[in-house]
Amino acid sequence: DTAVSQTPKYLVTQMGNDKSIKCEQNLGHDTMYWYKQDSKKFLKIMFSYNNKELIINETVPNRFSPKSPDKAHLNLHINSLELGDSAVYFCASSQGLPDTQYFGPGTRLTVL
Amino acid sequence: AQTVTQSQPEMSVQEAETVTLSCTYDTSESDYYLFWYKQPPSRQMILVIRQEAYKQQNATENRFSVNFQKAAKSFSLKISDSQLGDAAMYFCAYRGLNNAGNMLTFGGGTRLMVKP
Repeated sequence: DTAVSQTPKYLVTQMGNDKSIKCEQNLGHDTMYWYKQDSKKFLKIMFSYNNKELIINETVPNRFSPKSPDKAHLNLHINSLELGDSAVYFCASSQGLPDTQYFGPGTRLTVL
Repeated sequence: AQTVTQSQPEMSVQEAETVTLSCTYDTSESDYYLFWYKQPPSRQMILVIRQEAYKQQNATENRFSVNFQKAAKSFSLKISDSQLGDAAMYFCAYRGLNNAGNMLTFGGGTRLMVKP
């Protein structure tokens, strides 16, 4: 069984479109995350979310919004896509201390 | 804010030999966790090893071990008996206990090449 899964694995879309990436974890973890990996492989946190609190990295544009229908899912919605949004997006989850984060396989988003 | 620095963009090692990847970090916290993640070409992020700052003993996982120097804020990864499958990007990451949202701060990564 895949612990953290993401769909789709690849997403190609036009500038200005709205798209979503889904994330599901079957580990029973309380906290989920979204990270962005740019073309230089640099990884940066976007959001941290548990069923009580959303923490947003202040540098993330408000075109990005996480939505959690339940504890096992954290989807990423992106409005008005821009060329600079092209990247690999990773979902992750963790539980308690030491809070080791387990990552999904990533979604490569290409904005044309 | 915490920062994590990996000063070696690329490293190479001969198969079966040992290689050490460097990582330094900057923090004012006394309790935190450090991680090494491996990202092979498949792009999956895989946890290699974890170190709790309050533990003096260096963490070890099979062929992977760390040299944790808390005073120097250094956290290097040693890979012994390197294998072709070790070729990947390696990321050092920091997680502070006072970190709102439990977020990881990553270094810029080191690409490890393994020569047969």
